[in-house]
Formats: sequence, structure tokens, C-alpha cells
Amino acid sequence: GAGVSQSPSNKVTEKGKDVELRCDPISGHTALYWYRQSLGQGLEFLIYFQGNSAPDKSGLPSDRFSAERTGGSVSTLTIQRTQQEDSAVYLCASSLGANGLAKETQYFGPGTRLLVL
Amino acid sequence: GQNIDQPTEMTATEGAIVQINCTYQTSGFNGLFWYQQHAGEAPTFLSYNVLDGLEEKGRFSSFLSRSKGYSYLLLKELQMKDSASYLCAVRDRDNNAGNMLTFGGGTRLMVKP
Repeated sequence: GAGVSQSPSNKVTEKGKDVELRCDPISGHTALYWYRQSLGQGLEFLIYFQGNSAPDKSGLPSDRFSAERTGGSVSTLTIQRTQQEDSAVYLCASSLGANGLAKETQYFGPGTRLLVL
Repeated sequence: GQNIDQPTEMTATEGAIVQINCTYQTSGFNGLFWYQQHAGEAPTFLSYNVLDGLEEKGRFSSFLSRSKGYSYLLLKELQMKDSASYLCAVRDRDNNAGNMLTFGGGTRLMVKP
């Protein structure tokens, strides 16, 4: 597609339920990133995939959060046993993935707005 | 790690000029980015600096001083549609193959008539 797409655009769930958020990166982009943005706040890094390398999970806030990327393209972020503090906008971005190329730009999807009741 | 600071909010008048500052601390600086984010939308790329000096793109310019760990985004001839959050982000070559960006908290700019 022309840009990064995410689904669903909005998700309302009950505390304790599991949710799955999907990201389709720009075709040909080998790097994929997940961020979380709480209301009025900056972007909090969650996880980074680069090609076939092991993902950098250093930003995941707890073991309830996990992500996978199948076939080097689509990624799914899963939050188990959701809590109210998980409510935020979850943004996905992708980039070409040229290691160390300073000017490489990340392109963002529209985000999934998650509300945990 | 990185430490990125920018003002939380700014207000300016339509037609005026505004400068949004960003200071950072990083071990292996490898580029600074500015993104614009309208409320409820995704961030969009505005500008990139890796060498000292000013990069101009129409009404928007971005400046970098690596020795001072300092950048600013300059917006000229402000329009109402420029009301948005402006995010400063730094790339560090020592951070996971140098691809990852660390974002500041963003500066919410309100343009008034």
C-alpha cells in the first residue's frame, strides 16, 4: 500500500481481556517499530523489528506485552490481561532499514486508539 | 541513553514567527528529526539535520548545533493549520544499529488569530 496501515482504528475493551493490534508496513520496508502515546504525551518506544534479526524488546513495559512479525511484513502487538493504564494510542512506523543510514525516515501509521474500561 | 527536552506548550499569533527549541544528550549522535502531529493523527516527517547549520524548507527551517546538543524548528508566516504538536527525535548510532529514534515529549503549538 501507499503508507503504513493499522487496524483497528479504535478498540474498546474490558479490563482483563486480551487485545491484538495489527500493523501493515510500507512495502519493502524491513524495519518496523511500535510506539505508545498517552494523551498529551510524547512517543514511548515499545519494540523494534529489523529484517530477520531478533527484535529489540527493550521498551515493552511488562510481560503482558508481546509482538511478532510474520514473514518480515505484517506485525501484531498483543496485550494480555489489559489494564486501564494500557489505554493509549498505539502507533506503528516503518522505515527502509538501511543500518546506520542517518537520514532514514520513519513513516507512521494512523494509530490504534485503545480504551480499557 | 538519550535525554531530549522541549517546551510543553507554546502560543503564537497568525502571521508571526515562532521558534521551538530542543536540547538533547546522546552518546553517538547520528541525526535529529522534527515531526509534526495534528491532534488525533499520526506524526509526519518535517525535517532532518545531521550537520551543523540551518536547513530551510519553505516556511519551516531547522537548525542544529552538535557541540551544544541543541536544535530549533522555526516556523514563519504562521497559519492556523500550523496548530499541532512538534516532536523532536534523535538518532543514536550506538542504539541498536543506529536505526532507532528517541522522541522528546513534543511541543504543543497553538496559533491564535
